[in-house]
Amino acid sequence: QIVLTQSPAIMSASPGEKVTMTCSASSSVSYMHWYQQKSGTSPKRWIYDTSKLASGVPARFSGSGSGTSYSLTISSMEAEDAATYYCQQWSSNPMYTFGGGTKLEIK
Amino acid sequence: DVKLVESGGGLVKLGGSLKLSCAASGFTFSSYYMSWVRQTPEKRLELVAAINSNGGSTYYPDTVKGRFTISRDNAKNTLYLQMSSLKSEDTALYYCARRELPYYFDYWGQGTTLTVSS
Repeated sequence: QIVLTQSPAIMSASPGEKVTMTCSASSSVSYMHWYQQKSGTSPKRWIYDTSKLASGVPARFSGSGSGTSYSLTISSMEAEDAATYYCQQWSSNPMYTFGGGTKLEIK
Repeated sequence: DVKLVESGGGLVKLGGSLKLSCAASGFTFSSYYMSWVRQTPEKRLELVAAINSNGGSTYYPDTVKGRFTISRDNAKNTLYLQMSSLKSEDTALYYCARRELPYYFDYWGQGTTLTVSS
């Protein structure tokens, strides 16, 4: 089965700082999806099909990657970006798996 | 607007049963695959059941296979999750989610909490 490992598990960034978090798959996957979750709320689709921003997601976010290595980047950190980000992939079995999440805090 | 509203969560004893519901609105429910995804107290996300648009095909991971049953009533725009032989590790917040292609979840409900205790 494909395991997704997100790193780092926790990170902090200052306003204006560039942020990059990664999602590593144990086997090659065709695309990666990302969700944002803030405390007390349900996950929101954030980036899908590796690099496509969901509606309403600020352009400072971007996604990239292929094979076993994917990343989510924020070009300039803002306070509202503080949240936990999860990656997710689909394969034949198990069908859907999620990474353990990266908690992003504002300094 | 797309809306998914879960209900039916609660406190259940080890080995007990419970049925969750998810009322959908704002889209053509019968056209979409749907899923249940749970979030553990450690904040880990895990898909526990998936169903195709007409209810004819389902999927379960090994962790719940044989204990959980997903179903849907397209006339009532409602998704269900019947859970039995509940274990402590089933304690989680259960979300109903709509699946979009390529294989991600574009809308999530607010979740309903299941606590399994002895």
